[in-house]
Amino acid sequence: EAQVTQNPRYLITVTGKKLTVTCSQNMNHEYMSWYRQDPGLGLRQIYYSMNVEVTDKGDVPEGYKVSRKEKRNFPLILESPSPNQTSLYFCASSLLGGGTGELFFGEGSRLTVL
Amino acid sequence: AQSVTQLDSQVPVFEEAPVELRCNYSSSVSVYLFWYVQYPNQGLQLLLKYLSGSTLVKGINGFEAEFNKSQTSFHLRKPSVHISDTAEYFCAVSEKETSGSRLTFGEGTQLTVNP
Repeated sequence: EAQVTQNPRYLITVTGKKLTVTCSQNMNHEYMSWYRQDPGLGLRQIYYSMNVEVTDKGDVPEGYKVSRKEKRNFPLILESPSPNQTSLYFCASSLLGGGTGELFFGEGSRLTVL
Repeated sequence: AQSVTQLDSQVPVFEEAPVELRCNYSSSVSVYLFWYVQYPNQGLQLLLKYLSGSTLVKGINGFEAEFNKSQTSFHLRKPSVHISDTAEYFCAVSEKETSGSRLTFGEGTQLTVNP
């Protein structure tokens, strides 16, 4: 089954404790992206990757890092989480790129930073 | 840079009534337009998209949208809604010049279908 898998789905952590949210897709998509969803703000893009070893900032990259060492994986790293990073995070992938192709989303990772 | 405004944050309707969810965009160049739906506790899935050609686009689950370039709008419509259409709907835009990288979402419209 074609899917985008995120882990963990739920996480409560404390300020400053490094964490990684993993994202994996099995569709051989070149494009992958991370979004955060906050009430009243819709989805905002954090980082995206057009291909292996190619990443770029989205609209809200501060406080986040990403890497794309393999085509299927695109982890999101919070080096020193803060409460304002409490949010619902979505990973998405696309064959043709985020602007023209259909985005396939994971089920989301709800992160709470205390 | 592109932007999207969804004009209604919440739209309550009765079952079998028609519905329109409004979306306006802003961009200085040609755009691609999308509607995504998010059911409770799930990720988003594509409803329909406009890339080029006919301005009336049909999607899944009986939804359709019309691209109006002069009014910079891409409103979503369904002639008769069901309880199962209750979800949050997101309009999104990308600029053709940067296609492949930047998809900007609106704030979302919560559609609630009541019996």
